[in-house]
Amino acid sequence: SQQGEEDPQALSIQEGENATMNCSYKTSINNLQWYRQNSGRGLVHLILIRSNEREKHSGRLRVTLDTSKKSSSLLITASRAADTASYFCATDTHTGNQFYFGTGTSLTVIP
Amino acid sequence: EAQVTQNPRYLITVTGKKLTVTCSQNMNHEYMSWYRQDPGLGLRQIYYSMNVEVTDKGDVPEGYKVSRKEKRNFPLILESPSPNQTSLYFCASTPSVGPDNEQFFGPGTRLTVL
Repeated sequence: SQQGEEDPQALSIQEGENATMNCSYKTSINNLQWYRQNSGRGLVHLILIRSNEREKHSGRLRVTLDTSKKSSSLLITASRAADTASYFCATDTHTGNQFYFGTGTSLTVIP
Repeated sequence: EAQVTQNPRYLITVTGKKLTVTCSQNMNHEYMSWYRQDPGLGLRQIYYSMNVEVTDKGDVPEGYKVSRKEKRNFPLILESPSPNQTSLYFCASTPSVGPDNEQFFGPGTRLTVL
């Protein structure tokens, strides 16, 4: 019953380019969050977008949410080698008490 | 420093030997959760707790137990571990259930069951 599915599974870009990754989910949500994970380490929260929001920015991050299509995208602009990591979307149930993570996008930024 | 801690970080054990992975947070968060991460499957929620003495099953609770006797601690118990429980485990906490429920994750516990 995993809700989030990320696309692509892996992405390799040159430093300075933009990286876009997508997330699709299955049921109604309270909000959608994006997390970053460096290899084998704990996840770090990046950005949260509520179900009634369509777009949100935080530094070099831009997140969009389309609840009619049950999808979200994360854009990282002007990527850096330090952005190399796995990125996961996470949704919660409409009650907000249970979370579902996607399978993640592995991003490699080549210096 | 605000953080979620887990112990041990690495554990190799044998089938059937009971073990406990501890999780503690110092942020006075109400909500705590356990996840397991397996290649190709992402993170799956095992159990969660919305407050002291309140626990609920997540997506993959079979073979696991939890308890929440104090707000800060949320141990994960494997009564009789099996090789299919070999995984990377994460504990997480969030201030409360609501519209801004950002989760704070621990560093992970890598468990191998032989």
